[in-house]
Amino acid sequence: DIQMTQSPSSLSASVGDRVTITCRASQGINNFLAWYQQKPGKVPKLLIYTASTLHSGVPSRFSGSGSGTDFTLTISSLQPEDVATYYCQKYNSAPFTFGPGTKVDIK
Amino acid sequence: EVQLVESGGGLVQPGGSLRLSCAASGFTLSSYEMNWVRQAPGKGLEWVSYISRSGGTKYYADSVKGRFTISRDNAKNSLYLQMNSLRAEDTAVYYCARDGGRGGYDSLDYWGQGTLVTVSS
Repeated sequence: DIQMTQSPSSLSASVGDRVTITCRASQGINNFLAWYQQKPGKVPKLLIYTASTLHSGVPSRFSGSGSGTDFTLTISSLQPEDVATYYCQKYNSAPFTFGPGTKVDIK
Repeated sequence: EVQLVESGGGLVQPGGSLRLSCAASGFTLSSYEMNWVRQAPGKGLEWVSYISRSGGTKYYADSVKGRFTISRDNAKNSLYLQMNSLRAEDTAVYYCARDGGRGGYDSLDYWGQGTLVTVSS
């Protein structure tokens, strides 16, 4: 099975900072990669699908890129409401594995 | 408005069984693949199971294969997860989640609020 890794596991940044999270698949998954945001105590929400397509209603400060094995989620200007754990997920084929998550908080 | 509402969680002894339900509304369930995802306390998300629109194709995580069974009743707008031979490590919040429906496999665009399953003696 394809394994998903994320880095860093956690980060702390200041409001307005540019934040980048990396997700890596152990084998190529084309662009079948999604990003989710889970705020503390809340349900996960879809942010990005097909590696770079913003889901409806998601602020434009979020963006995604990558294809094959290496993917990136970028928050162009970190806001207080972006404090959350971010997960990537592959969906090219089963099992639809999630990455371990990256916890983002405000410095 | 799309809504997914899970039920059926609770406290069960190791080796016991539980059946989770997910009631769908605001969309035509038969037009979407569906999934179960779980999250152990303080841990990350773990995909559990997938079912195709007709129910003819099902996939499971290795951790639950042979113990859990996913099913659906499109006429009742409901998704189910039958969980047998439960273990302490199955303790988690279980979410049902809708596949985006853009063709083939897709990301999970709507999630329920989750139902907590606790396996303990």
